[in-house]
Formats: sequence, C-alpha cells, structure tokens
Amino acid sequence: AQTVTQSQPEMSVQEAETVTLSCTYDTSESDYYLFWYKQPPSRQMILVIRQEAYKQQNATENRFSVNFQKAAKSFSLKISDSQLGDAAMYFCAYRSAYGGATNKLIFGTGTLLAVQP
Amino acid sequence: DTGVSQNPRHKITKRGQNVTFRCDPISEHNRLYWYRQTLGQGPEFLTYFQNEAQLEKSRLLSDRFSAERPKGSFSTLEIQRTEQGDSAMYLCASSFSGSITSGNTIYFGEGSWLTVV
Repeated sequence: AQTVTQSQPEMSVQEAETVTLSCTYDTSESDYYLFWYKQPPSRQMILVIRQEAYKQQNATENRFSVNFQKAAKSFSLKISDSQLGDAAMYFCAYRSAYGGATNKLIFGTGTLLAVQP
Repeated sequence: DTGVSQNPRHKITKRGQNVTFRCDPISEHNRLYWYRQTLGQGPEFLTYFQNEAQLEKSRLLSDRFSAERPKGSFSTLEIQRTEQGDSAMYLCASSFSGSITSGNTIYFGEGSWLTVV
C-alpha cells in the first residue's frame, strides 16, 4: 500500500521570503502522480501543483515549484516570495496512474504554514 | 461551471439520528469521490464512483454508511444511527477520466461539517 509522509506539522515564513515544505512517499509503482493541495481555514481544498512521475522536469506554477526526486521518493514544495494569502494547510498527495487502480488520492497529514508580515 | 457543490455545509445532529449529504460534481465529470477529514488530519478516502457505479469502498465505510449516485450526476452520502465518532468534515470531489494529459486532476468541494452531539 502507498503511504505519504509529511514530517513538518507546522512551518513559518516571513512575507516575501521562500519556504520549502517536505513530503516523502512510499510506493512500489513506477507510474503515478503527485500533488500539493492547499486548504485555507474553513475553505475549499485547491490544487497548487501536479507532477507526473514519468517527467524528469520539475513542475512549476508561478511562485510554486517542486523538487521531485523519484529515486529518493521525495516531493518537496517551494513557495517563493511568500504572501499572506499563502497561509494555509498544505497537503501532499499521491495517486496511482495505472488504469486498473482506483483513482483515489492518498494524503499526508499536512503542514500548517503561517506567513508572518 | 461553479465547481463541486456540497450541502448542507454544516449539520448538527443528535447521536442516533440519520443524516444525508449531497454532492453535485463539476458537470461532465464522470468520477466522484467521498473523503472524510478530521481536525488536523489529511482527508481519508471513503468511496469512489465512476458514472453511477460504485467501484470501491474503503473499510472506513461501515455498514451505517451508504453512498449513491443514481444517475451518474449528483451523489448522496447517508450516515445512519450517527455516533460521536462520525463527527468530521465530509468532502466530495470529482474528476474527468477522458483527458490523459490532465492527469485526471481531482477537484474538491468545500465540504460538509458534521457534528454529532
């Protein structure tokens, strides 16, 4: 069974600074997707960034980028130029890419990010 | 398209009562998921539909829980004889399987909070 581990329950960053959130996962599959979702307090969970395992190039979305290390099964999220609106719970998630498998997401326990003005 | 819609957003019920939550997925999304999330934890998979077929149920989904998606559009999640341990946020999500390039990104609703007193 696949597992996702986020070892940082809480992180803090100064506005305009850069922060990196860590995520490791365990799987025996070679083809899968990895995601970072953001969940603001009492708000909807939204997709931040997605990485396909077969792609060597790290995904980027504006101020958000990932460091995907497939051999190490590591998938960290870097937020550059942090803004107050980035404060939220961040979840790392895994999904199998195999057609016969359920497309469910497997989540980590989350990292609560605080942004200090 | 207004995204995944869930109602009610909040429900307080007495132990032993039945509750039902409704989810309207993004139109044309053929896959629909239910997750449960407790405070400070990541969402846990409950069940998954492809069109009207319920293809997977987690062992978390006890006999008191039943989910339906009768016409392959909206879905309901019913909890019978609620217990205090059922208090959580119930998240609905949807995705479209028709696009290989999209990675079948899963979109979440705002969730339905259940408090059992």
